[in-house]
Amino acid sequence: DIQMTQSPASLSASVGDRVTITCRASQSIRSSVNWYQQKPGNAPKLLIYAATNLHRGVPSRFSGSGSGTDFTLTISSLQPEDFASYYCQQSYSTPYPFGQGTKLEIK
Amino acid sequence: QVQLVQSGAEVKKPGASVIVSCKTSGYTFTGYYLHWVRQAPGHGLEWLGWINPSSGSTIYAQNFEGRVTMTRDTSISTAYMELSSLRPDDTAVYFCARDIKVTTSFDFWGQGTLITVSS
Repeated sequence: DIQMTQSPASLSASVGDRVTITCRASQSIRSSVNWYQQKPGNAPKLLIYAATNLHRGVPSRFSGSGSGTDFTLTISSLQPEDFASYYCQQSYSTPYPFGQGTKLEIK
Repeated sequence: QVQLVQSGAEVKKPGASVIVSCKTSGYTFTGYYLHWVRQAPGHGLEWLGWINPSSGSTIYAQNFEGRVTMTRDTSISTAYMELSSLRPDDTAVYFCARDIKVTTSFDFWGQGTLITVSS
């Protein structure tokens, strides 16, 4: 099975900061990575699919990049509503594992 | 609007089975795969499998093969996930999620169903 290693596990940042979260796949998965945001008590929300495609309704401050084994989610200017947990997911082959998650907290 | 509404929380004893339902509306039920994902308290997300509501075909994660069964009733646009031989470490929130279809990613999610396994 393909494993996804996400880092960092937690991150403290301030409103207006630029933040980057990374995911590394254990083998090449082309561009088959999705990114989700999850707030406590809620279901995840799709942000980015196929590595770089912004899901409809998602603010343009979110962006994704990468291909092969290394992928990045970037938030260009943090807003108060962005403090949440973020997960990558590979969709190249089953069992479609998620990364371990990154908890983004207010500094 | 697209909605996925799941059944309510349940408490089960070890060894029992549980069925979680996912009633959909606002789109053509047979047009999109449905996935099931779970999240243990304080932990990350784990994919269980998917069902093609049109054909009924399924793919399960190997970790759950033999214990999970996904079915659907097209007449009421509802999918079901049954997990058997429950263990305490099956305690989690279980989500259904619709596949976006362009690629395997999940654009609409149910609200989640907490399944607690305890003696």
